[in-house]
Amino acid sequence: DQQVKQNSPSLSVQEGRISILNCDYTNSMFDYFLWYKKYPAEGPTFLISISSIKDKNEDGRFTVFLNKSAKHLSLHIVPSQPGDSAVYFCAASSKRGGADGLTFGKGTHLIIQP
Amino acid sequence: GAVVSQHPSRVICKSGTSVKIECRSLDFQATTMFWYRQFPKQSLMLMATSNEGSKATYEQGVEKDKFLINHASLTLSTLTVTSAHPEDSSFYICSAGGGGVTDTQYFGPGTRLTVL
Repeated sequence: DQQVKQNSPSLSVQEGRISILNCDYTNSMFDYFLWYKKYPAEGPTFLISISSIKDKNEDGRFTVFLNKSAKHLSLHIVPSQPGDSAVYFCAASSKRGGADGLTFGKGTHLIIQP
Repeated sequence: GAVVSQHPSRVICKSGTSVKIECRSLDFQATTMFWYRQFPKQSLMLMATSNEGSKATYEQGVEKDKFLINHASLTLSTLTVTSAHPEDSSFYICSAGGGGVTDTQYFGPGTRLTVL
């Protein structure tokens, strides 16, 4: 069973608008959540993370929101830029920084339309 | 961010042979590294945790005798795919970091293994 779910395989957003990527998890032991961006045949690149003691973390154009009671998190990118087109993976861990390994969702392919 | 390298970036081998993949943390020491596998259009799946100076721990369903892991130093972990078969063809990625050292896992660029 999938412990981290990204239910949208793809998302198309116009340049300049807000991109919202969603992620749900089932394991209540998860305490730390991360978002990665990935291009084909490359390793994932870290974007932003959030600890379960927070409900929001912001870094430039990227903001992650966590609703622990709903076991739901989202990544907001604003404004969206063409270079943001990639696959975005949500990942979770029971330890800070993913120190016990990461459980990944299946990813959402974000396409930014000019 | 921190840099993690992998070598080789791609390898093609014959069925029955063994292949070694190296993962190095270039600008920090990592007592723990992780190995993942990604099949086409699938998620990254954690295979094993590589522990410096001790045995690796494997996730359920991953054969430890098939995927040999050695973490001989604080900057190097190796994954050896023994007696490779076509179904082992995949994208293998390592990561390092996390815990008290950094707040995330940094990933290598991955190794594309094709077994003929």
